[in-house]
Amino acid sequence: GENVEQHPSTLSVQEGDSAVIKCTYSDSASNYFPWYKQELGKGPQLIIDIRSNVGEKKDQRIAVTLNKTAKHFSLHITETQPEDSAVYFCAAPFNFGNEKLTFGTGTRLTIIP
Amino acid sequence: DAGVIQSPRHEVTEMGQEVTLRCKPISGHNSLFWYRQTMMRGLELLIYFNNNVPIDDSGMPEDRFSAKMPNASFSTLKIQPSEPRDSAVYFCASSLGVPSGSSYEQYFGPGTRLTVT
Repeated sequence: GENVEQHPSTLSVQEGDSAVIKCTYSDSASNYFPWYKQELGKGPQLIIDIRSNVGEKKDQRIAVTLNKTAKHFSLHITETQPEDSAVYFCAAPFNFGNEKLTFGTGTRLTIIP
Repeated sequence: DAGVIQSPRHEVTEMGQEVTLRCKPISGHNSLFWYRQTMMRGLELLIYFNNNVPIDDSGMPEDRFSAKMPNASFSTLKIQPSEPRDSAVYFCASSLGVPSGSSYEQYFGPGTRLTVT
């Protein structure tokens, strides 16, 4: 099955600056890469995802990039705001064609006012 | 849409007691997932169903855990007997799902925080 590694485990950035979280995966056949945001006391919320037929996807201040050759994908948050403080998880399919997802270990992002 | 609904939100029970967690998926979604989240092990998939049929239960820790999905709008996760090490947050998620297996967006419920004393 897929192995997903996520870095860093914690990240603190000044409000207004950018934050980048990176994940690597092992299965070159993987074709779907979602990112989840989990606020304290809540369930993970899907914030953006990318499929392997594109290299980048944007949604307002959030973007995800995918490098299939290097087998890594990254979450970019620009103009960070206090409400961006949360734990972020990346994920990839357990194996090709499978609905199961393998999740990264999470990144705790803190935005410093 | 109300999203995925889970109950109860909090459960405190004594070791040895039976615990039943409940989940209502998003209407029209064909796949349902049960996860467990702990600090030590992160987010683990316990079992998932497609069209009410269990597809993969390889994550179920042991025979004390069982899950059912009697219809498209309801699922339960039961622990009997419960142990302190079962203390965790249990999430239910649902997705559109396809029979052949393909990754679709999963939407999580708010979770049930279980404490076994």
